[in-house]
Amino acid sequence: QSVLTQPPSVSAAPGQKVTISCSGSSSNIGNNYVSWYQQLPGTAPKLLIYDNNKRPSGIPDRFSGSKSGTSATLGITGLQTGDEADYYCGTWDSSLSYVFGTGTKVTVL
Amino acid sequence: QVQLQESGPGLVKPSETLSLTCAVSGYSISSGYYWGWIRQPPGKGLEWIGSIYHSGSTYYNPSLKSRVTISVDTSKNQFSLKLSSVTAADTAVYYCARRGILTGVDYWGQGTLVTVSS
Repeated sequence: QSVLTQPPSVSAAPGQKVTISCSGSSSNIGNNYVSWYQQLPGTAPKLLIYDNNKRPSGIPDRFSGSKSGTSATLGITGLQTGDEADYYCGTWDSSLSYVFGTGTKVTVL
Repeated sequence: QVQLQESGPGLVKPSETLSLTCAVSGYSISSGYYWGWIRQPPGKGLEWIGSIYHSGSTYYNPSLKSRVTISVDTSKNQFSLKLSSVTAADTAVYYCARRGILTGVDYWGQGTLVTVSS
């Protein structure tokens, strides 16, 4: 149902790097700012990245965002067990609604 | 610090109307930003329901538009959600949140579980 596609899961060992892709179209990512959200188990989502690549105060620089055309990417370096969570991309859509990605579960091996 | 808190019934009967309110503290709704509702069915992803600007302009998810009404009460610094003709598919954790054009959804409520069941 979501118009933004993410891989269902990614995994890596502690200390390694993972990247999460978010694929959209010119109706959403291609012409709007992308944000990324982290949802730890049993909690509300938290803003990780906004305006494609900016981090709110308190978010470590291990988290990074980028955008190219109609796709965006979240990178997490120095993976920690505390990073195990669901991650969602989000952006405005020309249907005049905000849209979220399908979500990606990050597992630390 | 901006804080949002959802309130409302945790159980709604099928075909009835789900009503929730979000109380905002630490920021005046009249100062700007979009104020919205997001839901998450158990074990599933996030779904944007809709949002309202302090002026009263509303933006709804096209898939829910016929059943959704979001309103704002600036005097109480709160906004509300009404979702009509609910079914079991509307069972979810409902979050209220603040959204900026550049900043994304930067503040979230803790969420409230609403179950649709007779």
